[in-house]
Parts: sequence; C-alpha cells; structure tokens
Amino acid sequence: DIQMTQSPSTLSASVGDRVTITCRASQSLSSWLAWYQQKPGKAPKLLIYKASSLESGVPSRFSGSGSGTEFTLTISSLQPDDFATYYCQQYDTYFMFTFGQGTKLEIK
Amino acid sequence: EVQVVESGGDLVKPGGSLRLSCAASGFTFRNAWMNWVRQAPGKGLEWVGRIKSKADGGTADFAAPVKGRFIISRDDSKNTLYVQMNSLKTEDTAVYYCTTGDHGAFNIWGQGTMVTVSS
Repeated sequence: DIQMTQSPSTLSASVGDRVTITCRASQSLSSWLAWYQQKPGKAPKLLIYKASSLESGVPSRFSGSGSGTEFTLTISSLQPDDFATYYCQQYDTYFMFTFGQGTKLEIK
Repeated sequence: EVQVVESGGDLVKPGGSLRLSCAASGFTFRNAWMNWVRQAPGKGLEWVGRIKSKADGGTADFAAPVKGRFIISRDDSKNTLYVQMNSLKTEDTAVYYCTTGDHGAFNIWGQGTMVTVSS
C-alpha cells in the first residue's frame, strides 16, 4: 500500500503569510494527488486535484505542485478563513485511496 | 442541487452490525464510483471503500482495516449507496462520509453520520 506523509503536522502562521505544506508518497503517484481543507465539524472540501488543478470556486491563492513522490500545497497570502486542517490524498492504479495524516494550520 | 445525505448512524455494541445509507441527488448516480470515508473523533480521514458503477463492473474494494467485515452495495433505482458493517470494533467509531468525484478526487461530500461502537 502507498503511504502518505504530510509535513508539518502543525503550522503556526499569520494573516498575509505564504505557507507551504508538503506531502510525500512512499512510491510514485504520477499526478494523482488531491488536497482538501477541513474545518471542525464539517466535511472536507476539495481544493486541488491532479496535483495542480484548482477546483472550481476555490480562491486562486491556493495552488498545488509536484509529481512523482513529492507534492506541495501553497497558500500565497493567508486569510482568516484559511485556518483549518489540510489533507493530501492519493489515488493509485488500483483505484484505491490513501489520505495523509493532516496538517493543522493555526493562527500565530 | 448536487448532494449526498448519509443516514443510519447509531450506538452499537462491539461485535454488532449496522447499515448506513447514502441518498444521492443532482447527478447521474448510476455512473458514479461511490466511496465511504471515515473520521474517528479527533483523528484524520481514512478511506473505507469504494464501489464502481455497474457499467464498470460494479465491484467493491476496501481498506485493510475493514476488509472482510464491511460490504458496500448500491441501488441505482433508488440513487442510494449502502455500507453493511459487521463484526464492529471500538476502533470503527467514527463519522462516516459518503463521497464521490472525478479525476481521482472527491468533490461531493455529505454531512456525515456518526457510528459509535461501545459496550
């Protein structure tokens, strides 16, 4: 099974900061990597799919990059609404899925 | 409006069984590959399993922790997804989400239904 490792587990930042979250896979994924935002008590929300494609309606300050085994989610200028937990998710050739353990983005 | 609505969550004893449902609307359910994802209290997201569309074979696959205990099925005439959970363990306690999407990602999520396994 493919394992996904996110870093950091917790990130403290301020409004206006540029932040990056990394997701590493135990084996190559090509580009089948997605990113989600989740707020307490709510379902996850898709932000990025196929590593770098922005989901409709998601602000352009969110971007994704990477391929193979290393991927990043970048928020170019943090807004108050962005403080949440972020998850990466891979999709393998057997149509199975794995999530990373999550990164909690906190207000500094 | 595109939506999925889960139901059936409850308190059940270890070793017991429970069936969850997910009612879909606003999209062509019969063509969708449907998934269950769960989240234990205070923990991260965990993919549980997936059923393909009948046109693509209708088969289901599961994550290792639930394989052999959970069964996923679908009724395309009712636009409804099910998961039958047997031999439940305390570690199955979680919010269970029904979800689907394209490009290997999930853009449609329900509000979740809570399953508590406790004596």
